[in-house]
Amino acid sequence: DGGITQSPKYLFRKEGQNVTLSCEQNLNHDAMYWYRQDPGQGLRLIYYSQIVNDFQKGDIAEGYSVSREKKESFPLTVTSAQKNPTAFYLCASSYGGTGGRYGYTFGSGTRLTVV
Amino acid sequence: QQPVQSPQAVILREGEDAVINCSSSKALYSVHWYRQKHGEAPIFLMILLKGGEQKGHDKISASFNEKKQQSSLYLTASQLSYSGTYFCGTGYMGAQKLVFGQGTRLTINP
Repeated sequence: DGGITQSPKYLFRKEGQNVTLSCEQNLNHDAMYWYRQDPGQGLRLIYYSQIVNDFQKGDIAEGYSVSREKKESFPLTVTSAQKNPTAFYLCASSYGGTGGRYGYTFGSGTRLTVV
Repeated sequence: QQPVQSPQAVILREGEDAVINCSSSKALYSVHWYRQKHGEAPIFLMILLKGGEQKGHDKISASFNEKKQQSSLYLTASQLSYSGTYFCGTGYMGAQKLVFGQGTRLTINP
């Protein structure tokens, strides 16, 4: 079955450490996105990519980095420059930037905690 | 610019109806609706395109008012399974991504 997979489900980061969150999709979607969600809050866009080897900053890109070397993969690195990284991170993909007629498909999320 | 959802939260008894609104200050091309259970991924419910159509399945439907630049989500005879946070995502002509509202938290009690 096609879908989008995020790993790990839970991740703990020490102060000053970089960590990478994985996002893989087998839906043949061109566009992929990373969102951050804080408790009781909405979805804030970190980065998005419309095609391979190209990506754009979202609203809260500082302290994060991404790569898009393959269509299926869009990993997110949370760097030590991100001072408050504890949050729920969601990856999504779609056929087009505004989701076409089928909307965005979201992964099940990674909960990152700073220890 | 982020669309505005109202209300921010609503509590209902099972069987009651609910309406959630999503308003934009810019001309809308499309509106998506998603539901998210706590700690889970948002699930796509439906999309409405410019043209004022109304869509729905089962007891959940939505409308798109082009004049008001607003979409409304209707939940009829609510069930316990309808609980969660509902997000609208708005699409604009020429845009590369959706813009999501802040969410409406719906609680259904027995």
